[in-house]
Amino acid sequence: GDSVTQTEGLVTLTEGLPVMLNCTYQTAYSTFLFWYVQHLNEAPKLLLKSSTDNKRTEHQGFHATLHKSSSSFHLQKSSAQLSDSALYYCALSEDYAQGLTFGLGTRVSVFP
Amino acid sequence: AQTIHQWPVAEIKAVGSPLSLGCTIKGKSSPNLYWYWQATGGTLQQLFYSITVGQVESVVQLNLSASRPKDDQFILSTEKLLLSHSGFYLCAWSHSYNYAEQFFGPGTRLTVL
Repeated sequence: GDSVTQTEGLVTLTEGLPVMLNCTYQTAYSTFLFWYVQHLNEAPKLLLKSSTDNKRTEHQGFHATLHKSSSSFHLQKSSAQLSDSALYYCALSEDYAQGLTFGLGTRVSVFP
Repeated sequence: AQTIHQWPVAEIKAVGSPLSLGCTIKGKSSPNLYWYWQATGGTLQQLFYSITVGQVESVVQLNLSASRPKDDQFILSTEKLLLSHSGFYLCAWSHSYNYAEQFFGPGTRLTVL
């Protein structure tokens, strides 16, 4: 079946430094990938989405490029802010009824 | 615009007591609906999904059940709570076409003592 792998469980970094969160996936179907962000005690919110191979998608300073050749959809930001501290989920669209397959999530902690 | 509400906002319950959590979507007809559970500090776990009234599919069995009595309503319940039921319960909806993103409600924080 479909699966999403996020290799980092926790990423800690200093404000102003770049951040990259890894996401790889396995699917036998057409590909639609998502990044969600969840701040403490809040619901997950959509950050980015893409189904176009090799096209960069950007939102709120974050960007990601879907690479179907390597089955990857890594999330990047050039300069982390304190407010970026949150839980980030990569997700894959599967059978439409069941909806999304989520990775285990990566917790990002940004320090001054 | 579509809005999603969950009730209650938070609940403290005793082990063995019954539970009913609700979710309502306004401004969207025939949405796909989902229930997720998240342990404190843990990942999202999909519990149930529904594509139409009266039809609910189980993804993970956690001694919980779900029902969709109306097009815009999704209910999560159990007759006997366990300590392991504590956590954050999230309802989500999506359009009923392929590869649709999901929109999450504000969640219900459940503490079982």
